[in-house]
Amino acid sequence: AQSVTQPDIHITVSEGASLELRCNYSYGATPYLFWYVQSPGQGLQLLLKYFSGDTLVQGIKGFEAEFKRSQSSFNLRKPSVHWSDAAEYFCAVATRGTSYGKLTFGQGTILTVHP
Amino acid sequence: GAGVSQTPSNKVTEKGKYVELRCDPISGHTALYWYRQSLGQGPEFLIYFQGTGAADDSGLPNDRFFAVRPEGSVSTLKIQRTERGDSAVYLCASRDSSGELFFGEGSRLTVL
Repeated sequence: AQSVTQPDIHITVSEGASLELRCNYSYGATPYLFWYVQSPGQGLQLLLKYFSGDTLVQGIKGFEAEFKRSQSSFNLRKPSVHWSDAAEYFCAVATRGTSYGKLTFGQGTILTVHP
Repeated sequence: GAGVSQTPSNKVTEKGKYVELRCDPISGHTALYWYRQSLGQGPEFLIYFQGTGAADDSGLPNDRFFAVRPEGSVSTLKIQRTERGDSAVYLCASRDSSGELFFGEGSRLTVL
């Protein structure tokens, strides 16, 4: 069965520092890949997605992610974190050939930003 | 514009009771999804509607759970004989033509 692993449950960074959140997946073939952000009192919001093509994907709010097939990874990055980025981040995958919206999510990584 | 609306935002019920959770998707979105998010976990897929029909209900945990979407818009998730283990946030999402999911804020269900 497919699975998504986010190894870091909680990450703390200082404002202005760079950020990398890790995501690894276990699938038979390259799935569709997504990163979502969830802030308290708000619904999940899509940051970026990878379907095919360029393996470096740009998203909203200055985030980017890189798909590495050899490592089965899709890590999320941001060069300079803002206090408003504090939230929980979820990596998710969908099997090719099925609905884009039938997602398997990782456990999530909680990001704390120190001033 | 209006996003995905879910009601109630909070529901507290007693073990064994029946519960209905409602989802009003973004107008024009034909695909609708239900997920369940337990504390400290990522969301888990429950069921997916394309129009009025359930295209995939493989995530429903047992036959106490079912969902309907009779007119292809609003959907209701129904849970019979609730158990304490059903306590979670139930998320609804609708999908646009590019494949992006738009999530509601969820309905938090607490079973005492």
